[in-house]
Amino acid sequence: AQSVTQLDSQVPVFEEAPVELRCNYSSSVSVYLFWYVQYPNQGLQLLLKYLSGSTLVKGINGFEAEFNKSQTSFHLRKPSVHISDTAEYFCAVYTGGGNKLTFGTGTQLKVEL
Amino acid sequence: NAGVTQTPKFQVLKTGQSMTLQCAQDMNHNSMYWYRQDPGMGLRLIYYSASEGTTDKGEVPNGYNVSRLNKREFSLRLESAAPSQTSVYFCAITGGYWQPQHFGDGTRLSIL
Repeated sequence: AQSVTQLDSQVPVFEEAPVELRCNYSSSVSVYLFWYVQYPNQGLQLLLKYLSGSTLVKGINGFEAEFNKSQTSFHLRKPSVHISDTAEYFCAVYTGGGNKLTFGTGTQLKVEL
Repeated sequence: NAGVTQTPKFQVLKTGQSMTLQCAQDMNHNSMYWYRQDPGMGLRLIYYSASEGTTDKGEVPNGYNVSRLNKREFSLRLESAAPSQTSVYFCAITGGYWQPQHFGDGTRLSIL
């Protein structure tokens, strides 16, 4: 079974600073990876996805992630964060036959002035 | 989150009461899911329906039942609510295998 580990439960960062949110997965087969963002009192919104192809994936709001097969990682990055990026971020991977997502426990990004 | 509508948005129940959470979609997707979200635990799958007429258990199905009423609607029922079921419940849909899931805004449920 596949699993996802988000190593940091909280990441504080100053506005305009770069940020990296870490995600590692366990898998012995092809993987399909996602990052979602959840703003307070809202549902999850897709930030970006890796299904195949280029290992550098660009998403919405200036975020990008790099799929690293040898490190089994899919870290999320943004070169300069804004106050509005304050939210919880979830990494997810498909398990089983491709119809069940497994989520990490989430990373709370707090952007401060 | 256009496309997935959950009702109600908030609910408070007493232990032992029953209730049904509703989810409806207008994206004509085959697969629908129910998750619960608890602090520090991410989202955990309760039940899912790969297509109309089928349902399967997820990671945490105990205490819940589901009905895939038609292609649009997928309901989650708590027959006898317990405080451990206090959570935020999300419905999600997807158009096919390996594809992103689209989420509703959630139902915040408190059980006293």
